[in-house]
Amino acid sequence: KAGVTQTPRYLIKTRGQQVTLSCSPISGHRSVSWYQQTPGQGLQFLFEYFSETQRNKGNFPGRFSGRQFSNSRSEMNVSTLELGDSALYLCASSLRPPSSYNEQFFGPGTRLTVL
Amino acid sequence: GNSVTQMEGPVTLSEEAFLTINCTYTATGYPSLFWYVQYPGEGLQLLLKATKADDKGSNKGFEATYRKETTSFHLEKGSVQVSDSAVYFCALSDQGLPNLGGRRALTFGSGTRLQVQP
Repeated sequence: KAGVTQTPRYLIKTRGQQVTLSCSPISGHRSVSWYQQTPGQGLQFLFEYFSETQRNKGNFPGRFSGRQFSNSRSEMNVSTLELGDSALYLCASSLRPPSSYNEQFFGPGTRLTVL
Repeated sequence: GNSVTQMEGPVTLSEEAFLTINCTYTATGYPSLFWYVQYPGEGLQLLLKATKADDKGSNKGFEATYRKETTSFHLEKGSVQVSDSAVYFCALSDQGLPNLGGRRALTFGSGTRLQVQP
């Protein structure tokens, strides 16, 4: 079974631009969560989607948004990019909404660099 | 709110040495606890987990015991290998439902880099 895939793997943007990242969960998984990883802040939760609905959201500004499609694929969008948005963005999928009994499987991440 | 504190790295050990990476947490209620590992250029992989007090999670020679009295979940391995070199993250998950105030998202520690030398 294929794992979680994220595209693109690397991205370079300039300040003020917007970016869209894509995540394809493991086949059959319906829940997708997004995390931001930076050297300064570590791993922080962005949001979680299940059955095309946002079920949970972290403490990020409204510039960060996401959506989930009927095939469970998810996209996240960051508008008006800032230098501090440079990070590794990780997507994780699980069969159902994540809990101690539904393990989250992580993708390799998308490395975003904002110049 | 929830938080996880890990010992700072890097931790540098010789092959076959004993490993301990300390992890303590702050959480309301009864969280589940996890250790994830991140190899260079890869995403996170679940290494082991424990869902209630006194549970011991184990995998690939790694072990961690959920200690509620000390709010700790220290990672141990008796004999490390070069292939264990990676970054290790301690994390917790609130078991509560979002509509009751619980958050299912993982809260991570800052990560500890382990370097094992031959």
